[in-house]
Amino acid sequence: SQTIHQWPATLVQPVGSPLSLECTVEGTSNPNLYWYRQAAGRGLQLLFYSVGIGQISSEVPQNLSASRPQDRQFILSSKKLLLSDSGFYLCASAGTVRANYGYTFGSGTRLTVV
Amino acid sequence: SQKIEQNSEALNIQEGKTATLTCNYTNYSPAYLQWYRQDPGRGPVFLLLIRENEKEKRKERLKVTFDTTLKQSLFHITASQPADSATYLCALLDTGGFKTIFGAGTRLFVKA
Repeated sequence: SQTIHQWPATLVQPVGSPLSLECTVEGTSNPNLYWYRQAAGRGLQLLFYSVGIGQISSEVPQNLSASRPQDRQFILSSKKLLLSDSGFYLCASAGTVRANYGYTFGSGTRLTVV
Repeated sequence: SQKIEQNSEALNIQEGKTATLTCNYTNYSPAYLQWYRQDPGRGPVFLLLIRENEKEKRKERLKVTFDTTLKQSLFHITASQPADSATYLCALLDTGGFKTIFGAGTRLFVKA
């Protein structure tokens, strides 16, 4: 079964500072990878997805970017954080048989921009 | 655009009763539908998937129905327990086949 490693668990960053969140996947190869953001009491908003190394699709124009330098590594970045970037960030993986097993999520990063 | 609606009001039930959660969708014809459980401060955990040609799916105390005519799925937890208290999310794979869209979820509280 798949395991998603996501870190850090919590992060407090000042406005204007850079951001780098990393996600690594174990237990599968060539997964589809996703970054979601969840505001307090809200649903999951899809930010980026990737179907392979170097392939990134952006869903929402924003202050963030994503990269996939390796098959099982997905990175979310920002050059200058905004207050509105605060939220709960989740990395997810879907293997080739995702239709049977759904997505596997990481434990999330709680980002507070101050 | 595709839209998923789940009851935003929390559902409070007594232990031992059956909890029923609703998921409605519009502008959409998904091949399958998923349900997830999310505990506070944690990532969602996949529970069940039901395909468009399946009317009902069961897993232990969980049951999911899928009515493509009504564009609705019902999620049932029988013999509910306080440990079932969580937020339950409905999710659909979009028509492109790469992205899953999630509902906002319904919070369930089971009282002992």
